[in-house]
Amino acid sequence: AQTVTQSQPEMSVQEAETVTLSCTYDTSESDYYLFWYKQPPSRQMILVIRQEAYKQQNATENRFSVNFQKAAKSFSLKISDSQLGDAAMYFCAYTPSQGGSEKLVFGKGTKLTVNP
Amino acid sequence: NAGVTQTPKFRILKIGQSMTLQCTQDMNHNYMYWYRQDPGMGLKLIYYSVGAGITDKGEVPNGYNVSRSTTEDFPLRLELAAPSQTSVYFCATTWGGQGNSPLHFGNGTRLTVT
Repeated sequence: AQTVTQSQPEMSVQEAETVTLSCTYDTSESDYYLFWYKQPPSRQMILVIRQEAYKQQNATENRFSVNFQKAAKSFSLKISDSQLGDAAMYFCAYTPSQGGSEKLVFGKGTKLTVNP
Repeated sequence: NAGVTQTPKFRILKIGQSMTLQCTQDMNHNYMYWYRQDPGMGLKLIYYSVGAGITDKGEVPNGYNVSRSTTEDFPLRLELAAPSQTSVYFCATTWGGQGNSPLHFGNGTRLTVT
């Protein structure tokens, strides 16, 4: 069974600095999708970024970028120029390309604190 | 455009009571999902639906039931509430059946069973 591991239960960063959140996953599939979701105190889950495994180029969305290492099965999220609004729980998620969101597997999350 | 609306936001139940968590979407998405989020854990799939009239079990379906009579609504029913069902429940939708279509979440329902 596929698993997603986030080894950092909590992280903190100073405002305007850069932080990297770690995620590793275990799968025997060759084609899949990886996601980072953000859950602020309001509780609503919001998609931050998505990576397709067959694309070697790392995905970026404004201040958010990933370091996707397929061989190492690693998918870290880098947040640049951190802002107070970035404070949230961040969840890494995986799903195989064969099959839809019903196969989505989430990690346990990393709580990010942004210090002013 | 409200997106995904869940009601109620909070609820306290006594053991053995029943209730329905409501989920309504106005995005015309075919795919809808119910997740539960336990403290310190990621989300686990309870049930999902690929269209009106079609539902299927997820990873943790025991103690729950769902129905999907319309595209918009996907209620989750707890028949005999147990303390193990204390959790935050999220409804989500997506436009496509492929794994790359992102989920749109509601704001969640915090349920406590005592």
